[in-house]
Amino acid sequence: DIVMTQSPDSLAVSLGERTTINCKAGQSLLYTSNNKNYLAWYQQKPGQPPKLLIHWASIRQSGVPDRFSGSGSGTDFTLTISGLQAEDVAVYYCQQYYSAPCSFGQGTKVEIK
Amino acid sequence: EVQLVESGGGLVQPGGSLRLSCAASGFTFTTYWMQWVRQAPGKGLMWVSRINPDGNITTFADFVKGRFTISRDNARNTVYLQINRLTAADTAVYYCARGTAMIPYWGRGTLVTVSS
Repeated sequence: DIVMTQSPDSLAVSLGERTTINCKAGQSLLYTSNNKNYLAWYQQKPGQPPKLLIHWASIRQSGVPDRFSGSGSGTDFTLTISGLQAEDVAVYYCQQYYSAPCSFGQGTKVEIK
Repeated sequence: EVQLVESGGGLVQPGGSLRLSCAASGFTFTTYWMQWVRQAPGKGLMWVSRINPDGNITTFADFVKGRFTISRDNARNTVYLQINRLTAADTAVYYCARGTAMIPYWGRGTLVTVSS
């Protein structure tokens, strides 16, 4: 099974500041035949199910604000929130779907400073 | 609009069983893989199981250890998760989800509490 490790576990950011969350996979998530990274990012607010933000490491899901962006390849990935808004307070998870079973990172809690 | 509505959760004693249901609507159910993901209170997401559109291919997380069964009724647009020999470690919100890989659609979940 592929282990996904996020850092940090939590962070407090001022409104409008740039926020960066890292995700490291235990093995490469890059499928060379199609040059795609099998990595997704989710946002989960209290009492709600997760919401898909990013898939294929950098493709924003329809309706997701453009302040959210994903980058990285292979084993190292980043979710960036370009200017934190109050409604972005949530826990963020990365997920690999390169191989079964899919697996999630432990989550990163984002709060307002 | 895609909708996934879970039911069947509740309080159950250790060693007991539950059958969770997920009623799907708003899409062609017979063409999609369906999954279950769970989340223990205050903890992260953990993938549980998935089933293919025909219902003849199923996969489970290692921790299931033969205690769970996933099935689907394509005539009723419903997917099920049978959970047996429950322990306190199975206490969680169980989410139904649509997707083979990344998961764009999730239900709101059903809470399973295992306690005496």
